[in-house]
Amino acid sequence: ETGVTQTPRHLVMGMTNKKSLKCEQHLGHNAMYWYKQSAKKPLELMFVYNFKEQTENNSVPSRFSPECPNSSHLFLHLHTLQPEDSALYLCASSKGGGREAFFGQGTRLTVV
Amino acid sequence: DAKTTQPPSMDCAEGRAANLPCNHSTISGNEYVYWYRQIHSQGPQYIIHGLKNNETNEMASLIITEDRKSSTLILPHATLRDTAVYYCIVSYGQNFVFGPGTRLSVLP
Repeated sequence: ETGVTQTPRHLVMGMTNKKSLKCEQHLGHNAMYWYKQSAKKPLELMFVYNFKEQTENNSVPSRFSPECPNSSHLFLHLHTLQPEDSALYLCASSKGGGREAFFGQGTRLTVV
Repeated sequence: DAKTTQPPSMDCAEGRAANLPCNHSTISGNEYVYWYRQIHSQGPQYIIHGLKNNETNEMASLIITEDRKSSTLILPHATLRDTAVYYCIVSYGQNFVFGPGTRLSVLP
């Protein structure tokens, strides 16, 4: 248990659906991250938020829309996804200043 | 892109020390070296990190060379449950960029 909670743990959605992934931490961290991990590939950093402001967007398609309403919560809104977007989506948080990041257990997303 | 180079795979006998190397020749003066591991596509688990000095905790030891261009993660008594992909990352402590890591197999 890292203190970073992701819901749901598993999600199956059609290509025309709209769904959201949720990440929550009450560790007092001010930076939150979304990563994508496709099958047998390294983690890819998608988005970074610092103090609720987006500071990194690694050329992620607009069908992925992040939202950070406060320092404790991070969402990833999904719409019109493709089957190749099926992956493990991981959330992490850190305090910054050289401190380590802690990861949630991820959401296993399948797009059909 | 990841700023580290690790061997793709290693084997270690159960009960022996596992020594995982990492090269980070372009590390900047205020970048830390972090180690994580990932088991069965779970979320990565933090192991240890350091800046200049060697570090030790209940999980592992981290040895950083004096020029900081390489480091070694040491699992002193590897068990079967240590079988995982181990990632070495250099970062200021904000954006953690993962490479392919080293797949460590602990053999009975």
